[in-house]
Formats: sequence, C-alpha cells, structure tokens
Amino acid sequence: TQLLEQSPQFLSIQEGENLTVYCNSSSVFSSLQWYRQEPGEGPVLLVTVVTGGEVKKLKRLTFQFGDARKDSSLHITAAQPGDTGLYLCAGAGAGNNRKLIWGLGTSLAVNP
Amino acid sequence: GAGVSQTPSNKVTEKGKYVELRCDPISGHTALYWYRQSLGQGPEFLIYFQGTGAADDSGLPNDRFFAVRPEGSVSTLKIQRTERGDSAVYLCASSLNLPGAGELFFGEGSRLTVL
Repeated sequence: TQLLEQSPQFLSIQEGENLTVYCNSSSVFSSLQWYRQEPGEGPVLLVTVVTGGEVKKLKRLTFQFGDARKDSSLHITAAQPGDTGLYLCAGAGAGNNRKLIWGLGTSLAVNP
Repeated sequence: GAGVSQTPSNKVTEKGKYVELRCDPISGHTALYWYRQSLGQGPEFLIYFQGTGAADDSGLPNDRFFAVRPEGSVSTLKIQRTERGDSAVYLCASSLNLPGAGELFFGEGSRLTVL
C-alpha cells in the first residue's frame, strides 16, 4: 500500500519566519502535487512536480521533488498570514493510474 | 459558474436516514472523484468515475455507500442507513482526461452531520 507521510502535522509561526513542510514515501511517484486548502473550501492546486530533482518556485514558495521521486518538500520564505491553511501533498502512480495518494496534510497558522 | 458545484453545502440528518449528495463537475471534465475529509485531515478517496462508469470504487467504506453518474456529468453520492461516523465533509473533484494525474478541481464540499 502506498503511503505519503507529511510532517509536521501542525505548525504555528510568526509572520516573517521561514518554514519547510515535508512529504515522504517509500514508493516512487510519477508526479507529485501540492495543494492548499482554506476553511470551507476545497483544495486548490499550487504546483505539480514531475522530474526527479525538480525545483519549482511560486513567489515565496519553493517546491522540490526528490531525486528518486519518493519525497518532496515545500519551503515558504517570509511567511505571511495569508499563507495560513492546510497544505496537502498528493502522489500519482505510474501509467494512467488516476487515483492520487494523499498525505494527511500540514495545518499552518501564520500569526501577525 | 465555471467551477465544480456541490449541493447541499450542509446537511444535518438523523442516524439511520438516507442521504444524497450531488456534484456538478466542470463542463468537459470526464474524470470525477468523490473524497471524504475529516477536520484538519487529508482527503480520503472514495470513488473515481471515468465517464459514466466507476473506474475505481475501492475507497467506498461499505455497501451503505453508492455513487452514480448516469450521463457522464452530474454525479450523486448516496448513503443509506447513515451512522454518526459518516459525519464529514464530502468533496467532489473533476479533471480533464489527460494521461497520468492531472489537476483536480474541487468543489467546496458538502458537510454531512449525522446526529
């Protein structure tokens, strides 16, 4: 059974601090997605990483896919209160398997 | 609107009752997913449709849960003899039929509370 472990589960920081969220698995994924979810809404895609070692940047967010495509990280620089939310990683298996494997999420609170 | 629409947004029912949750996906999206989510947790996969057929229903917890998508667009998740443990937010998502796992577009969810 494929599993995705996210850490930390909860994170409460002050505005301006940096943070990193990790997503780890013993399985290889063909791609990995990061979503952000706000209360009362569905998750919204932030980025998809496909190639081992790939790094993608989205303003203050930096996403990295591990060389072996088993793990990923999300780094936020100078966090702002608007970054508050639930961050979810989801891995896709090989081929045309459309069933994503989801992590349990990291609940981030950025205090002003 | 152009997004995924779910109704009702909130449903309160009594234990043992029957419930239907509806999902209207983005037009042209052939793939449709149902997930269940508890507070602060990640989505739990229930079922995935490709067109009218259920391509993967391995996440349905038991035979009280059933989902249909008769015309390949709107889908209904049906829960019989509801139990308190069924209380959760039920999320629907749709995506284009692209190779691999494309971007999922989620609705706002239907919050089910079983008293």
